[in-house]
Amino acid sequence: AQSVTQLDSHVSVSEGTPVLLRCNYSSSYSPSLFWYVQHPNKGLQLLLKYTSAATLVKGINGFEAEFKKSETSFHLTKPSAHMSDAAEYFCVVSPAGTSYDKVIFGPGTSLSVIP
Amino acid sequence: DTEVTQTPKHLVMGMTNKKSLKCEQHMGHRAMYWYKQKAKKPPELMFVYSYEKLSINESVPSRFSPECPNSSLLNLHLHALQPEDSALYLCASSLRGRGEGETQYFGPGTRLLVL
Repeated sequence: AQSVTQLDSHVSVSEGTPVLLRCNYSSSYSPSLFWYVQHPNKGLQLLLKYTSAATLVKGINGFEAEFKKSETSFHLTKPSAHMSDAAEYFCVVSPAGTSYDKVIFGPGTSLSVIP
Repeated sequence: DTEVTQTPKHLVMGMTNKKSLKCEQHMGHRAMYWYKQKAKKPPELMFVYSYEKLSINESVPSRFSPECPNSSLLNLHLHALQPEDSALYLCASSLRGRGEGETQYFGPGTRLLVL
């Protein structure tokens, strides 16, 4: 069965310090992996996507994620947090071999940035 | 342009009302999705349309009725809703929706309150 685990339901960092949001997945085949961000009362915005072309994926707003097959992880990082990064972050898996673009959402990590 | 638009932004309705949510995209995508999102939770899939045909109904109650009049438009007709149906309703689209790990692009959502 496919699943996504986000290890921290809430992360709090100081402005200017690094951000690490953790994601582990379970999938029978090589999946597509995504990180989305949702600001309060907004829709979901795509941060980045992994599709096997490169294990280190760069996204928007300075975020990047590294795919590690041996660890089944896809952690999201940013070198320096900004106040505008405070939001909910979802790790998403799109397993291969489904009949439509079924995606599986992780439970989400709420990021707080302290001034 | 990777924009999905949704109207209205907010909707308040009584349990006997009939209302509709509208979603539109002009990216040439042939797959469109409706999701329901409760507070502090990830989105839950409701319906998938692929090439204007309903391909997935995730056991949604019949008081929700989707419609895809053409490849750019997706509607969700609401009738006799319950207070527990209050949520953020998100629309998304992807290129073909054929299980190839495509990116889903989300709209800003409609915030629905059922009284």
